[in-house]
Amino acid sequence: EVQLVESGGGLVKPGGSLRLSCAASGFSFSNAWMTWVRQAPGKGLEWVGHIKSKADGGTTEYATSVKGRYTISRDDSKDTLYLQMNSLKIDDTAVYYCSTLRNGGLDSWGQGTLVTVSS
Amino acid sequence: SYDLTQPPSVSVSSGQTASITCSGDKLGGKNAYWYQQKPGQSPVLVIYQDKKRPSGIPERFSGSNSGNTATLTISGTLAMDEADYYCQAWDSNSVVFGGGTKLTVL
Repeated sequence: EVQLVESGGGLVKPGGSLRLSCAASGFSFSNAWMTWVRQAPGKGLEWVGHIKSKADGGTTEYATSVKGRYTISRDDSKDTLYLQMNSLKIDDTAVYYCSTLRNGGLDSWGQGTLVTVSS
Repeated sequence: SYDLTQPPSVSVSSGQTASITCSGDKLGGKNAYWYQQKPGQSPVLVIYQDKKRPSGIPERFSGSNSGNTATLTISGTLAMDEADYYCQAWDSNSVVFGGGTKLTVL
């Protein structure tokens, strides 16, 4: 069974940094494309970015809203996905989900971790 | 940037057919995906590549995509289908989500 468990969320001040983790199990993590999606309170889903498997180049893509501030990385030896978030803004407040990307769709999702940016 | 437009809300009587649309420029030339999200839960993929159902998704969920519009159809809608539904497509190596549709089952 695929399991994705996000952690690392919390309260941070504007301008601060936070690193989220997503621990994966139940599938071949090293072969998977992975993505981060966020959802602000009461709002819709927003794609943050994704990372390809190393076999497919390991490259990353980001939404315009986070480009230059966020970095997605992976440690295949630990089956873990990361999201480094810098220069956080109040508008970055959201539940952050990690998910697997397969056949172009986000087919398994974690439970999410809440990031609150507030002074 | 590429936009996907969904109606904010759709209502359907229990047992009837619900249709939720997603509009985007030449969307029919892309693959469309649909997600269901119930309150307090993570999204669940219900349709991928326009019309395919992941394992475990009931047959009453179906999808189509042509022209500028993708449609999620729920036949024989049940109370448990009440949820937010999001469409998704790819554009220029980026994932794009629609704004979401709240489905109310009367």
